[in-house]
Amino acid sequence: EPEVTQTPSHQVTQMGQEVILRCVPISNHLYFYWYRQILGQKVEFLVSFYNNEISEKSEIFDDQFSVERPDGSNFTLKIRSTKLEDSAMYFCASSEVYQPAQHFGDGTRLSIL
Amino acid sequence: AQSVTQLGSHVSVSEGALVLLRCNYSSSVPPYLFWYVQYPNQGLQLLLKYTSAATLVKGINGFEAEFKKSETSFHLTKPSAHMSDAAEYFCAVSSITGGGNKLTFGTGTQLKVEL
Repeated sequence: EPEVTQTPSHQVTQMGQEVILRCVPISNHLYFYWYRQILGQKVEFLVSFYNNEISEKSEIFDDQFSVERPDGSNFTLKIRSTKLEDSAMYFCASSEVYQPAQHFGDGTRLSIL
Repeated sequence: AQSVTQLGSHVSVSEGALVLLRCNYSSSVPPYLFWYVQYPNQGLQLLLKYTSAATLVKGINGFEAEFKKSETSFHLTKPSAHMSDAAEYFCAVSSITGGGNKLTFGTGTQLKVEL
């Protein structure tokens, strides 16, 4: 069964540095998403992306964050000037057009020191 | 605006007993509803979904859920728990607007299965 794959599985970064989290969505899916889960808290929506542009973003997704589809397969989340509170599990998801079910990757655990 | 409430952050059942995980939602438009399961150190796996067809939805691993509009509920059940069901379960809601829809999650319920 096709899967969403995320790399790396764990990223440790010094505060203030930039990180890029990578995702390969399922190949025939056209909607892409990022969510995050801070330890002990609920999964929160960050952003959705369709047709090479952001379709919706949450108030969490401020100027510190950006997303990009650099080629036909990858979907990335960039976090600039990381802060301690950015430490979380970041999940990528994808869905087919007009299909509500989203398929998630295994996540990247981001630790900011 | 949408929201999900999961009653009980921790539920413990005996192996072979009924599993009931509660989910209530709030949505100003007809909702899509989902249950996801998360095993330790893994991602979110879709268990089942309600998309305005049958109100009783069957999913993987013997789980099912019933959409009750009058009660704004979407509780997850399984007749007989297995040790392998121990995991965290998340209820989520999105709205029927077509195309991509953001999911709003509940806080999750940790299911423990005891011998």
